[in-house]
Amino acid sequence: QSALTQPASVSGSPGQSITISCTGTSSDVGNYNYVSWYQQHPGKAPKLMIYDVTNRPSGVPDRFSGSKSGNTASLTISGLQAEDEADYYCSSYTSSSTVVFGGGTKLTVL
Amino acid sequence: EVQLVESGGGLVKPGGSLRLSCAASGFIFRSYSMNWVRQAPGKGLEWVSSISSSSNYIYYTDSVKGRFTISRDNAKNSLFLQMNNLRVEDTAVYYCARVQHHLLVDVWGQGTTVTVSS
Repeated sequence: QSALTQPASVSGSPGQSITISCTGTSSDVGNYNYVSWYQQHPGKAPKLMIYDVTNRPSGVPDRFSGSKSGNTASLTISGLQAEDEADYYCSSYTSSSTVVFGGGTKLTVL
Repeated sequence: EVQLVESGGGLVKPGGSLRLSCAASGFIFRSYSMNWVRQAPGKGLEWVSSISSSSNYIYYTDSVKGRFTISRDNAKNSLFLQMNNLRVEDTAVYYCARVQHHLLVDVWGQGTTVTVSS
């Protein structure tokens, strides 16, 4: 199972919006609405930010939103804040009853 | 408070073995499937293995099949990963993770570090 494809890095200024893409195949992202997004600060465990493509867990700011079109899912962060600087990973359930993660995207807040 | 605490990591030589443990608290452990996910130094997340709530369904990523064994003890709220014939490429932080539906992870432990080196 190949990793989902994410850009290595994205950046934005405080207050701006950014979008991180996550491209898979018809065996994972394209076939299931079970895409999740995780935020990971250096030296910390990942934190769930979005699940089932568009849903936010309790406590996650509504500045974070998710979407999907075909084999590509996206995470959008609006109103960027300094504390959003972190690594972001997508993941998807697969037709092999496994889960696959993306390679990760480093978000820099300028 | 939902909490997962891993232990058992350390330095081991190639070909050696380690047994990781994860102590769960703050939720009904026996009701949830569980995952092990690892992260090699400077690399991304990699799913390793999953076990259903009653251990009926177990899955592994291809690179660890035949070498790693996932298990659980619902009476002791504990998850385990027996790792045999370890390779240098198994070096990583290993996270214990609670699973919702379809292997979605909603809670992560703090991780335990496994280093395989001669």
